[in-house]
Amino acid sequence: DAKTTQPNSMESNEEEPVHLPCNHSTISGTDYIHWYRQLPSQGPEYVIHGLTSNVNNRMASLAIAEDRKSSTLILHRATLRDAAVYYCILPRLGNLIFGKGTKLSVKP
Amino acid sequence: EAQVTQNPRYLITVTGKKLTVTCSQNMNHEYMSWYRQDPGLGLRQIYYSMNVEVTDKGDVPEGYKVSRKEKRNFPLILESPSPNQTSLYFCASSPLAGDTYEQYFGPGTRLTVT
Repeated sequence: DAKTTQPNSMESNEEEPVHLPCNHSTISGTDYIHWYRQLPSQGPEYVIHGLTSNVNNRMASLAIAEDRKSSTLILHRATLRDAAVYYCILPRLGNLIFGKGTKLSVKP
Repeated sequence: EAQVTQNPRYLITVTGKKLTVTCSQNMNHEYMSWYRQDPGLGLRQIYYSMNVEVTDKGDVPEGYKVSRKEKRNFPLILESPSPNQTSLYFCASSPLAGDTYEQYFGPGTRLTVT
């Protein structure tokens, strides 16, 4: 199974952009890249996903490297509510393999 | 409001006393699954269902049963709970099986088995 590697933690200031990196060097050609986040005391929440092209939605942007071995989740203006653990996931037949993720702290 | 609901949210029980955690979604999703979350181990899939009457084991199915008699409901059954099943449980649903779809998670059920 393809694995992902993320930094354990990152810090950001409120209203500044945040770039959360993820390495997935063993990704296969058909693996989708998903991002979920988990706020304290809540269930995981879908953020964004993509295959090859960069993707944008109301929550974030996903930048995928040309060789697909890495990707970056971009929060354009971090708010205090964005403080959470962010997971980069390569699903396997619907099974979301959650790693340790990146704990994002947002300072006012 | 589109949502996945779980009941109960908190449960303390004793070893061997059968229990059921309910999961319901109102989005007409075909795919549903159960995860457990443990410190240091992340979320791990217990069982999943691709549609009514179609269920299969995930990564950690031992000690659990599921059923899918209706599209909207996917209960998790612990016939003889043990302390190692103390965990935080999440139900999730998705429009269809497959990796192109986002999954929606419930709020979680915190289970303690003494």
